[in-house]
Amino acid sequence: AQSVTQLDSQVPVFEEAPVELRCNYSSSVSVYLFWYVQYPNQGLQLLLKYLSGSTLVKGINGFEAEFNKSQTSFHLRKPSVHISDTAEYFCAVSPLNTDKLIFGTGTRLQVFP
Amino acid sequence: NAGVMQNPRHLVRRRGQEARLRCSPMKGHSHVYWYRQLPEEGLKFMVYLQKENIIDESGMPKERFSAEFPKEGPSILRIQQVVRGDSAAYFCASSPSRIGVGGENTEAFFGQGTRLTVV
Repeated sequence: AQSVTQLDSQVPVFEEAPVELRCNYSSSVSVYLFWYVQYPNQGLQLLLKYLSGSTLVKGINGFEAEFNKSQTSFHLRKPSVHISDTAEYFCAVSPLNTDKLIFGTGTRLQVFP
Repeated sequence: NAGVMQNPRHLVRRRGQEARLRCSPMKGHSHVYWYRQLPEEGLKFMVYLQKENIIDESGMPKERFSAEFPKEGPSILRIQQVVRGDSAAYFCASSPSRIGVGGENTEAFFGQGTRLTVV
């Protein structure tokens, strides 16, 4: 079975500071990896995805994530956050040749002025 | 190209009533997924459908819940005899191919959700 762990349920940070949201996964098979963002009362929007190739993936809104196979991690980073980045962030995995996205419980990023 | 459309956005039902949630996938997408988000939790997979077929319903509760994706029209998630524990946000996602198959099409596009409140 697969699982996704987002260790931090909340991350408070000041505007223009860097941020890292952690994601670890467990799977006996290869997976594709995703980060989604959910703004209040909205659906999920894809930030970035890792399918293969370079382990450093760049996404929208200045976010990037690095796939580390040995540590089974896919941490999300941004060098300088804005107030508008305040949202819930979900890490998800999709085991190859399956039909599911398996989500973590989410990390609420709150950016303060 | 309109995104995934879900309606209604908000739905209030009394205990024992039926709830019908609709999802129109993006144009050209024949794969539809339903997820449930309980308060303070992540999204949980419920069911995966292709046109006229249920492919995987391993996340669906055994009773009262059903889903369909007819040849014409939106996908429907139906909850019969709702209870307070059914209160949640229900999200639909669509994709042009199976998630997990690979390639640039491995992406699910989500609707804005239907927030069901059972009173």
